[in-house]
This record gives sequence, structure tokens and C-alpha cells, in this order.
Amino acid sequence: GAGVSQTPSNKVTEKGKYVELRCDPISGHTALYWYRQSLGQGPEFLIYFQGTGAADDSGLPNDRFFAVRPEGSVSTLKIQRTERGDSAVYLCASSFSGGRGDTQYFGPGTRLTVL
Amino acid sequence: AQSVAQPEDQVNVAEGNPLTVKCTYSVSGNPYLFWYVQYPNRGLQFLLKYITGDNLVKGSYGFEAEFNKSQTSFHLKKPSALVSDSALYFCAVRDIIRSNDYKLSFGAGTTVTVRA
Repeated sequence: GAGVSQTPSNKVTEKGKYVELRCDPISGHTALYWYRQSLGQGPEFLIYFQGTGAADDSGLPNDRFFAVRPEGSVSTLKIQRTERGDSAVYLCASSFSGGRGDTQYFGPGTRLTVL
Repeated sequence: AQSVAQPEDQVNVAEGNPLTVKCTYSVSGNPYLFWYVQYPNRGLQFLLKYITGDNLVKGSYGFEAEFNKSQTSFHLKKPSALVSDSALYFCAVRDIIRSNDYKLSFGAGTTVTVRA
């Protein structure tokens, strides 16, 4: 079956602009996660959704970052007033129910470059 | 807080030789442990996980890992490496003592190079 998909695969923007990154999880998965991977580092947690609600947004670095999942499927990560330090690969993952033993399946990521 | 350490940035082995990628963890309670592999310009692919039960876990592509509670380790192993195993490997942990904590904490990754 189809895995997690993310669009766009690459996004280049200018400092100060607004960007939206989209994630389409595996069908039937209720849990969705966003991570950020900077060069040479492992992924770092940003936010976790269970259904439509953000169950844990403790990883969002500041109020420029926001994510939604209005219908409990597709999610959009929104970044306002982008900064050069936001440049990274943004990874989305989904799991069946969010249980702590669940496997998270990752998408290919969106590479964001802020000039 | 939960954390993972991968003490080796790079591991180089010859094809056909055993491959080991090291991982140690730190959690408040008991861990759930995961290994993922990342190929260039691709997302993370799940290899295997330890939840409970047998300390030796078998996963995809001939990989296995052994959970050692006394040494707080979860090393990834493959008896005979292939050139196609060359990739970036990540260990991750989730602390099950925190009922509302669902995130994975990842190590910095280990680059594996298998030479022909």
C-alpha cells in the first residue's frame, strides 16, 4: 500500500516568507508526527497529532511554527516569517494508533531552504 | 528525559564481514527501542524494534539487535554485510514511563560504508 507522502519534496524561499508543508499519512493511521532533521543530526520531534487534535506540541521551537490536521488525515506544517535557521528537512511520520509500542513510518521529507 | 547515544559517527566494513552499529540509551523507566535506516534523499525506513520479550530482535534485510538492560544498549548487527547496506543508521528510544509522551528521541546517526 501507499506510504507516507510529503509535498513539496523541495522548497526554496526567502527570509521572512511564509511556507506550508503538507503530509499525507498512511490510510487508517490516526497518529501523525512532525520531526525536523538538520544536517548531520538525527530527527527532532516537533508535534504529535492524535486524530484532529495536537496531543503534544512541545517540540515546536517558537510561535512562528504551527500545524493543523483538520479532518484527522492530511496535516500541514506552517512556518511564518521564515529564518535561515529554519532550513532543514522536515519529516512526517504516521502510526496506527499512537500507542507507545507503535511503529512510526516516515515519509521522504521536505527539504526547506531559506535564503 | 530520554536520550540516545551512537558513539561512532562512521563504521567501515568489508562486504561479507559482520556489521555492528552501537547504540546506548538513557530513560527514566523502561524503553521502547527502534532502529531506522536512511538512504540518500529518502526518508527513514523502519528496521526493527524492541518492545518486550526476547532480548534478541530480528528485523528486515537480515538485521538483528540485542537489548541489554544492564548495559543500557541496543546494538544493531548483521552477520554478513552487503554493499547495499551502506547508509545512515539511526537508533531511537521512547520512554514508556511517561504516559503522555509519544515522541521518539533519535541518536545523531552512524554512517555505514560497506566496501566491495
